[in-house]
Amino acid sequence: SQQGEEDPQALSIQEGENATMNCSYKTSINNLQWYRQNSGRGLVHLILIRSNEREKHSGRLRVTLDTSKKSSSLLITASRAADTASYFCATSREDTSYDKVIFGPGTSLSVIP
Amino acid sequence: EPEVTQTPSHQVTQMGQEVILRCVPISNHLYFYWYRQILGQKVEFLVSFYNNEISEKSEIFDDQFSVERPDGSNFTLKIRSTKLEDSAMYFCASSEWTGRNTIYFGEGSWLTVV
Repeated sequence: SQQGEEDPQALSIQEGENATMNCSYKTSINNLQWYRQNSGRGLVHLILIRSNEREKHSGRLRVTLDTSKKSSSLLITASRAADTASYFCATSREDTSYDKVIFGPGTSLSVIP
Repeated sequence: EPEVTQTPSHQVTQMGQEVILRCVPISNHLYFYWYRQILGQKVEFLVSFYNNEISEKSEIFDDQFSVERPDGSNFTLKIRSTKLEDSAMYFCASSEWTGRNTIYFGEGSWLTVV
């Protein structure tokens, strides 16, 4: 299976702390995307990182990609209560099946005010 | 900012009934997708659609399911005879090109089969 696997499954931190979530995958990818989902809501796209990129930033978000280890990390700095959500990585395979992305099971982040 | 819109937001249906979920993808996008998420579980790929035909589908997308782009703006998912296990949040998504580009999701349609 190409799907990403996030770790940890659940993370609880205090407001102001940094949160790091990791994603591992099994097959070579074209890109990896991170999404956020508030409870019962839709999937909000955060960042797309391509296989030839190592790091991307967007506001308080930093994503890294290590294709040799088949892993990615999402760092949220200076967390806020509003960051409480589930975070998913989704991978697009390099060889075939590039019409879709496959999601991992997600990390549930709780930011305590 | 352009967005994917879905209707209805919530539908309750009797087992065995047909359901149509509707989506309006982002206007200049060419690839369309349906995903589903059973409560508390991960997001699962159902089908991708390009150039008026299915480009890929998962094992979940059996003969009970069909997709259609009836006009230039709508993209629908039909479930012919719903089962209890079809209860889930169904997400429509679109991308400008293939999954190699950002895929944008709608807010979802929550389907409850009773």
